[in-house]
Amino acid sequence: AQSVSQHNHHVILSEAASLELGCNYSYGGTVNLFWYVQYPGQHLQLLLKYFSGDPLVKGIKGFEAEFIKSKFSFNLRKPSVQWSDTAEYFCAVNPVNNNDMRFGAGTRLTVKP
Amino acid sequence: EPEVTQTPSHQVTQMGQEVILRCVPISNHLYFYWYRQILGQKVEFLVSFYNNEISEKSEIFDDQFSVERPDGSNFTLKIRSTKLEDSAMYFCASSLTGNSYNEQFFGPGTRLTVL
Repeated sequence: AQSVSQHNHHVILSEAASLELGCNYSYGGTVNLFWYVQYPGQHLQLLLKYFSGDPLVKGIKGFEAEFIKSKFSFNLRKPSVQWSDTAEYFCAVNPVNNNDMRFGAGTRLTVKP
Repeated sequence: EPEVTQTPSHQVTQMGQEVILRCVPISNHLYFYWYRQILGQKVEFLVSFYNNEISEKSEIFDDQFSVERPDGSNFTLKIRSTKLEDSAMYFCASSLTGNSYNEQFFGPGTRLTVL
């Protein structure tokens, strides 16, 4: 089965700082990749996804992620974070041939105003 | 915008008791899922369900768990005899189709506390 690693458990940034959250996965086949966000007290929401094509994908709220196949990575980035980006961020991987989506442990982002 | 709903938001139970967690998926979705998140740990896949059958399940989903779609709207997760380690947040999700290209929409979760 696939596994997902998120390198940072808790990231603390000031507003306007740049963000990069790491995500690596291990799986022998083709996968679809996702980033979900969970704002305090709310449910998981899809931030962005990668299926194929341009490895740089743009999501909502100014987030983007880059798929680097050779590194099995799908890092999330945002050039300038806002206080409202404070949330838990989850990377998820789903093989194209099944529904067994695996999540990373999550990274808690705290943005100081 | 349609959304997945879950009830109750918080369930407290005694060890050994049965619990049923309820979910109402998005109405035109055909695939349904349960995940759990133990406090401080990752979101873990439990089971997927389609056409009144389990389509996939993880190693966590053992005989104490069962899922059911008792009517046209509800999707339930039953834990037969709860253990302390079942304490977690349980998320329901649904998707329009079953392939992994389809976004799964998540509910707000039910926090289960087993005493």
